[in-house]
Amino acid sequence: DAGVIQSPRHEVTEMGQEVTLRCKPISGHDYLFWYRQTMMRGLELLIYFNNNVPIDDSGMPEDRFSAKMPNASFSTLKIQPSEPRDSAVYFCASSLALQGAVPYNEQFFGPGTRLTVL
Amino acid sequence: KQEVTQIPAALSVPEGENLVLNCSFTDSAIYNLQWFRQDPGKGLTSLLLIQSSQREQTSGRLNASLDKSSGRSTLYIAASQPGDSATYLCAVRPNNFNKFYFGSGTKLNVKP
Repeated sequence: DAGVIQSPRHEVTEMGQEVTLRCKPISGHDYLFWYRQTMMRGLELLIYFNNNVPIDDSGMPEDRFSAKMPNASFSTLKIQPSEPRDSAVYFCASSLALQGAVPYNEQFFGPGTRLTVL
Repeated sequence: KQEVTQIPAALSVPEGENLVLNCSFTDSAIYNLQWFRQDPGKGLTSLLLIQSSQREQTSGRLNASLDKSSGRSTLYIAASQPGDSATYLCAVRPNNFNKFYFGSGTKLNVKP
């Protein structure tokens, strides 16, 4: 498996523009997570999905942020409009709840998207 | 809310030394704990996952232990190498939520 795939790897945009980040989880995984990492706040969970359904979006900072998972192999995180304080590295991760009947839940991370909002 | 602390924030050791990284958490009702390494500008790489019923896990030169009652986990690295230089993060998943709480990490530098 290619692992978790994210695109783009780098995004530079101007304040007020719409930004869309993309994620392809590991095939067969039933959980998908979006995180944001900054020097000041470390790694923060924004939202996670189970079987394509959003379960907890309490970490989404504002209504400017939205996430979707239209199918098991694709998710997007959208920021509209973007602001300079949104500059961060955004990670997508996926996990599998069970291996057979055994609880598992090891998270695998993508390489991240480095977002810069000018 | 679960709080995860990693001390020290940074550590510098000479090559070949055995070392221990610490992770503490406030709520002992955890489902599992995962250790990651992060290289500069890269994503997180999973090192070890310990389920709540386990006391330790080993992979090569790495050994992670878990003591739920005291709210602590340690990552032991044997015979450290310059290639081990990275930031090490621990993450805790509580029993009732499928979400991980991360520590702020320990930045390790292994000097040749």
